[in-house]
Amino acid sequence: LAKTTQPISMDSYEGQEVNITCSHNNIATNDYITWYQQFPSQGPRFIIQGYKTKVTNEVASLFIPADRKSSTLSLPRVSLSDTAVYYCLVGYNTDKLIFGTGTRLQVFP
Amino acid sequence: DAGITQSPRHKVTETGTPVTLRCHQTENHRYMYWYRQDPGHGLRLIHYSYGVKDTDKGEVSDGYSVSRSKTEDFLLTLESATSSQTSVYFCASWTGADTGELFFGEGSRLTVL
Repeated sequence: LAKTTQPISMDSYEGQEVNITCSHNNIATNDYITWYQQFPSQGPRFIIQGYKTKVTNEVASLFIPADRKSSTLSLPRVSLSDTAVYYCLVGYNTDKLIFGTGTRLQVFP
Repeated sequence: DAGITQSPRHKVTETGTPVTLRCHQTENHRYMYWYRQDPGHGLRLIHYSYGVKDTDKGEVSDGYSVSRSKTEDFLLTLESATSSQTSVYFCASWTGADTGELFFGEGSRLTVL
């Protein structure tokens, strides 16, 4: 199974926009891209999901280029409470849902 | 939030003893998953189920077995616990649709001495 690749960690300051990119070169035609957020001692929770182009909800935007081999999660104006680990998950046309290592985002005041 | 509950939430046991973790969901989701999470390793898939009595191995299945006799319950068993199985275990459920999201439980912290 192809794996997703993300930066291990990122730092930011409050009020800045943060972009986290995930590489998924072997994405299949029917696969969707989903991002999750995990705080310490909690289970991950859904942030956003997309198939192509751009998706926006109340907390984030997801940008997916035409070739769909990567995706970028954009968090506008981060706050300290956005400090967490972010995972991208791609459904490789299978129910065997395997996560990558995630990106640890640290937001500083 | 989807009703995913795990039990026990915390357990300390000794090497060589059997351990069973339980996951219960109230959403009638077809798919259920067990992941383990260790520092520096993210979430690793142990086993998953795609229906009652239908299960398959994940990335790190050695030393673990699972059972699903009812849609709502998914059990993870460590037949003979080892210290390397000290971890936080997360259960999740999924509708199975491409656009569906995974719903996670709060985790079970297992310490094997």
